Amino acid sequence: QVQLVESGGGVVQPGRSLRLSCAASGFTFSSFAIHWVRQAPGKGLEWVAVISYDGSNNYYADSVKGRFTISRDNSKNTLYLQMNSLRVEDTAVYYCAREGWGYDSSGYYRNSGFDYWGQGTLVTVSS
Amino acid sequence: DIQMTQSPSSLSASVGDRVTITCRASQSISSYLNWYQQKPGKAPKLLIYAASSFQSGVPSRFSGSGSGTDFTLTISSLQPEDFATYYCQQSYRTPYTFGQGTKLEIK
Repeated sequence: QVQLVESGGGVVQPGRSLRLSCAASGFTFSSFAIHWVRQAPGKGLEWVAVISYDGSNNYYADSVKGRFTISRDNSKNTLYLQMNSLRVEDTAVYYCAREGWGYDSSGYYRNSGFDYWGQGTLVTVSS
Repeated sequence: DIQMTQSPSSLSASVGDRVTITCRASQSISSYLNWYQQKPGKAPKLLIYAASSFQSGVPSRFSGSGSGTDFTLTISSLQPEDFATYYCQQSYRTPYTFGQGTKLEIK
């Protein structure tokens, strides 16, 4: 079955760095774009970044651009998020999520939302 | 960036009720609209993609409609396990923004 398992979260001081990992199994990892989504305590969902299936394209939320880097190693079925210059407001549960594909009501095969998610890893930025 | 606005932010309803949640995009997103359900301490779960297409395994009491800027999620007959927070999300253009969420509570 499809599984995404995040790791690497923890408590870190402002200005420091942390790298999250997301280990994938149960599907052909190299065929899917993967996203990072975060959720601050008691708040809603915030999209963070995406990387294309082959790693050739990536996009970031303005709130993390220039500080976070998304990458992947398709040989290891693993996604990464390198987080530098961390801020208190980066405190959140970080989820990785697969962008799926499916048929819409008109019969077109297209992106179908985030169909599988990891369990999340908590990052706390605090002095 | 495309802004997504959900209404209401919270909703109290009873088992068996019909419930509708709306989501409005700040510009046209065609049918690139997804709905998720999230329960406390859990990852979100995809319910509906492409505005009206069912994700595999989702009960038929959930349905979605709309295109352009206005969308709805309807639960035809609330079940106890449906009390959760619901989010819409546009996947038309990055950043793939989410609505602020609608918390569905038991009356």
